[in-house]
Amino acid sequence: DTAVSQTPKYLVTQMGNDKSIKCEQNLGHDTMYWYKQDSKKFLKIMFSYNNKELIINETVPNRFSPKSPDKAHLNLHINSLELGDSAVYFCASSQGPVTDTQYFGPGTRLTVL
Amino acid sequence: AQSVSQHNHHVILSEAASLELGCNYSYGGTVNLFWYVQYPGQHLQLLLKYFSGDPLVKGIKGFEAEFIKSKFSFNLRKPSVQWSDTAEYFCAVNPLSGSARQLTFGSGTQLTVLP
Repeated sequence: DTAVSQTPKYLVTQMGNDKSIKCEQNLGHDTMYWYKQDSKKFLKIMFSYNNKELIINETVPNRFSPKSPDKAHLNLHINSLELGDSAVYFCASSQGPVTDTQYFGPGTRLTVL
Repeated sequence: AQSVSQHNHHVILSEAASLELGCNYSYGGTVNLFWYVQYPGQHLQLLLKYFSGDPLVKGIKGFEAEFIKSKFSFNLRKPSVQWSDTAEYFCAVNPLSGSARQLTFGSGTQLTVLP
């Protein structure tokens, strides 16, 4: 009965490949997020969706495309992977948009070779 | 844009020592404040939060934090740390108005507690 789940937990791939990370929350929350944590543990928001609509879109390369098929899911698709994309990607959710407490998933460690 | 500063990058303590981790933010309006903890290899977990009311908030595992509005600070404290408190601690701030309403994290403080 994990609240926010992500798959896969680890992802190792070659430069230039396309990959997806899936996120699901069973908390009934309306808002979901993607964060990137770099090698120095710095966390930065990438995207936020509220009820399937994009509300935050930070300066992220357009190779990254979030997709929200319903409000319980927010997937992250990455095209043409680059070495600098290696990081841990965290999904999160909150009841309301942005200001409510956010609950985080276990993270996906992406390694681009 | 708002920013969050955690000046202690790495803190090393012995068990039973007292802990205080600093957090300052640079937003002048009303904010929600959070401390999250990340144990090795795990996801972020909420330790405590401040939305309004008593500026001294208590969280899980004996942690507390004090919001001092005049100092734009939200320092985390624990009177006696344990080995199991070894983790990365993140302060985060969410402004309640303005165009940049998103959760902004500090750079984190790695706490190592020696047995």
